Amino acid sequence: GAGVSQTPSNKVTEKGKYVELRCDPISGHTALYWYRQSLGQGPEFLIYFQGTGAADDSGLPNDRFFAVRPEGSVSTLKIQRTERGDSAVYLCASSAGWGTQYFGPGTRLLVL
Amino acid sequence: AQTVTQSQPEMSVQEAETVTLSCTYDTSESDYYLFWYKQPPSRQMILVIRQEAYKQQNATENRFSVNFQKAAKSFSLKISDSQLGDAAMYFCAYRVASNFGNEKLTFGTGTRLTIIP
Repeated sequence: GAGVSQTPSNKVTEKGKYVELRCDPISGHTALYWYRQSLGQGPEFLIYFQGTGAADDSGLPNDRFFAVRPEGSVSTLKIQRTERGDSAVYLCASSAGWGTQYFGPGTRLLVL
Repeated sequence: AQTVTQSQPEMSVQEAETVTLSCTYDTSESDYYLFWYKQPPSRQMILVIRQEAYKQQNATENRFSVNFQKAAKSFSLKISDSQLGDAAMYFCAYRVASNFGNEKLTFGTGTRLTIIP
């Protein structure tokens, strides 16, 4: 079946702009995760959804970052007033409850 | 807090030879999972192998096997008969198993593996 998909693949924006990154999980997976991967680093956890609710948002760096999953499937990560330090690859993963996390190809965000 | 350490930023191996990637972790939990993920230039993280901490037997998946030493908090990955397609970044990752809601993965900084033809 189809894997996790993320759009856009690449996003270039200017400092101060608002961006939305979309994640479409594997069908039937109840859990969805967002990670951020800076250059030369491993992914760092941002937020985890179980169904529609955010079960753990302890990794969101500040209140400019927000994520939603209104129907328990597709999720959108929203970044307000982008800064150059937000440039990174944003990875989404999904899992069937306690199972292995399957990752999407990521969105590379570049803030100029 | 849990931490994962990969002390080898880069490794290289001749095609068809065997290579071992190192990983250590720190946790106060007794029940957890450990993973090795592969990330090729396409950026997609691909699960290579998974180990449950309560299992004493080391996990194996075809040419990939682990050496899990729970007391030493060590989790190394052995790749046998290395192939050109194995070239990638390899990340070690940890996840606690006991509590609902603690689903996040904690990753190491990665090891870049080069295969020499």
